[in-house]
Amino acid sequence: DIVMTQSPDSLAVSLGERATINCKSSQSVLYSSNNKNYLAWYQQKPGQPPKLLIYWASTRESGVPDRFSGSGSGTDFTLTISSLQAEDVAVYYCQQYYSTPLFTFGPGTKVDIK
Amino acid sequence: QLQLQESGPGLVKPSETLSLTCTVSGGSISSSSYYWGWIRQPPGKGLEWIGSIYYSGSTYYNPSLKSRVTISVDTSKNQFSLKLSSVTAADTAVYYCARHVRATVTPNWFDPWGQGTLVTVSS
Repeated sequence: DIVMTQSPDSLAVSLGERATINCKSSQSVLYSSNNKNYLAWYQQKPGQPPKLLIYWASTRESGVPDRFSGSGSGTDFTLTISSLQAEDVAVYYCQQYYSTPLFTFGPGTKVDIK
Repeated sequence: QLQLQESGPGLVKPSETLSLTCTVSGGSISSSSYYWGWIRQPPGKGLEWIGSIYYSGSTYYNPSLKSRVTISVDTSKNQFSLKLSSVTAADTAVYYCARHVRATVTPNWFDPWGQGTLVTVSS
């Protein structure tokens, strides 16, 4: 099984500042045949379902603000919010889809305003 | 715009079977580009994938739950369903249905998600 970990568990960032969330997989999620990283990021606001932000580790979903970006390859990935807005307060999850049939999520990182 | 809505009992007794249905609107469940999945989230905790189904009936199940899970699809009603047997308090969670995007041969990310329904296991 591929185990996903995230760091930090939570962080507080001032409005307009950068927020960085890390996600690590226990084995590589880079598929060599297509050179794609099988990793997605989601945002979950309180009382709401998760919302897809990024897939293929760095492709932003349509309609997602460009202050959200994903990077990384292999086992180490980062979600960056370049300029934190009040509406970005949420829990962020990474998910690997390399290992079928077991799609696993990270434990989540809570982002708050400092 | 595609929407998914979960429905079913909010309270299930221990040892009984949890049954939920997800109704898909604004699109066809019979698309070759998607699977349809169930994910759950215990109160205050993280996300656990339960299983996914293709319109043909082909399924993927989480190995840790496979012995208790059955997912089925009804293309005529644009619905898919979850049955989880022999439930315990540990199965108390918000259950989400979601479209499981199939950008490759196997399903990949989840988008969009239903609003979720809380199922409590208690006598």
